[in-house]
Amino acid sequence: DAKTTQPPSMDCAEGRAANLPCNHSTISGNEYVYWYRQIHSQGPQYIIHGLKNNETNEMASLIITEDRKSSTLILPHATLRDTAVYYCIVMDRGSTLGRLYFGRGTQLTVWP
Amino acid sequence: NAGVTQTPKFQVLKTGQSMTLQCAQDMNHNSMYWYRQDPGMGLRLIYYSASEGTTDKGEVPNGYNVSRLNKREFSLRLESAAPSQTSVYFCASSSPSGQPFYGYTFGSGTRLTVV
Repeated sequence: DAKTTQPPSMDCAEGRAANLPCNHSTISGNEYVYWYRQIHSQGPQYIIHGLKNNETNEMASLIITEDRKSSTLILPHATLRDTAVYYCIVMDRGSTLGRLYFGRGTQLTVWP
Repeated sequence: NAGVTQTPKFQVLKTGQSMTLQCAQDMNHNSMYWYRQDPGMGLRLIYYSASEGTTDKGEVPNGYNVSRLNKREFSLRLESAAPSQTSVYFCASSSPSGQPFYGYTFGSGTRLTVV
């Protein structure tokens, strides 16, 4: 049970912001939202995570709604190398050792 | 380079053969995981190990066994391979709860074909 819903695919022009939505309406109070991406045939790569505040790092920004039922991953200036499958995952860091349950994710295609 | 190393990268097996997929991490992580990924699908957890000496089943453990040899190494064994086990296998590691969390680190995968 992945607990999240994502659109199967999206596309974005190179240099523009890519905004990837995720619905996690059943998220519980101690569950974090994590984002990973998988570039073709490679192992998934950690991007960012958050609990309720917005977060930013060198790769992306994470916007979580006030009710925490949805979030958006923002790649501010998408490049061709950002073409990948993006996974949104909710996880309780305090239980089950942080096992990750992956859904099918969103295939982001960045075009020139 | 620090990270998770998987061997082999590619393998073809005949139905009924056995093999062991190896995984090693050099980040001093306590927890390690084995996932499989089928075409067009997300990753599914096979087994995981909270710490050296402990292992537990994930979503799809049937047909597999694991060994946490030491803190660094976590192997996955197929005793009698079946075509349904054709997949890409990923090993991952992470720091335990309560420790600074820097995400999961995945290996580059083992592409297994069972004919």
